[in-house]
Amino acid sequence: EAGVAQSPRYKIIEKRQSVAFWCNPISGHATLYWYQQILGQGPKLLIQFQNNGVVDDSQLPKDRFSAERLKGVDSTLKIQPAKLEDSAVYLCASSLEGASRHEQYFGPGTRLTVT
Amino acid sequence: AQSVTQLGSHVSVSEGALVLLRCNYSSSVPPYLFWYVQYPNQGLQLLLKYTSAATLVKGINGFEAEFKKSETSFHLTKPSAHMSDAAEYFCAVSGAQGAQKLVFGQGTRLTINP
Repeated sequence: EAGVAQSPRYKIIEKRQSVAFWCNPISGHATLYWYQQILGQGPKLLIQFQNNGVVDDSQLPKDRFSAERLKGVDSTLKIQPAKLEDSAVYLCASSLEGASRHEQYFGPGTRLTVT
Repeated sequence: AQSVTQLGSHVSVSEGALVLLRCNYSSSVPPYLFWYVQYPNQGLQLLLKYTSAATLVKGINGFEAEFKKSETSFHLTKPSAHMSDAAEYFCAVSGAQGAQKLVFGQGTRLTINP
């Protein structure tokens, strides 16, 4: 079974530029998550989708961050404009519904550096 | 509200020695608890999970953890450390019901000395 795919793996941009990350979850996984992991910290949930609807985006900085999940499969996370403090690893995860919904599978992440 | 505290941002043990990584949680609802491992430049991999069944949970790579409600703890142990265990370890909590939001601790970096 293929895992969670993310691209790009690394991205370097200047502040005030925009950037987008892509995630393809495990086939059949209804729930998709985006996490931000700042160096030296644990991952923090930014947004959670159930199919193509948003379940939780309470910690998403909506003035600069946006996310969508088209057709309930792939998802993109965008930052516009980027700030220095957005430098982090952005992790995508997915999970099944039902009894296995608590087990999340993570992708390799996208490491963003804002200069 | 839920939170996790991992005691010790860095733990160093000798190869073959006992590994003990500490995790305490706070949860207003019955919790599900998890340990994840992260190797350099990789995503997180689930080591083990507690979902209200047996309190002693066995995971991959010889790790296990015990849920102690009275101590609100979920410490991770391995009897004998291997060099390949060097990584970052994260404890996480979620509610047993409703949304499955994971709240992570700060992480513990495990170093294995030869």
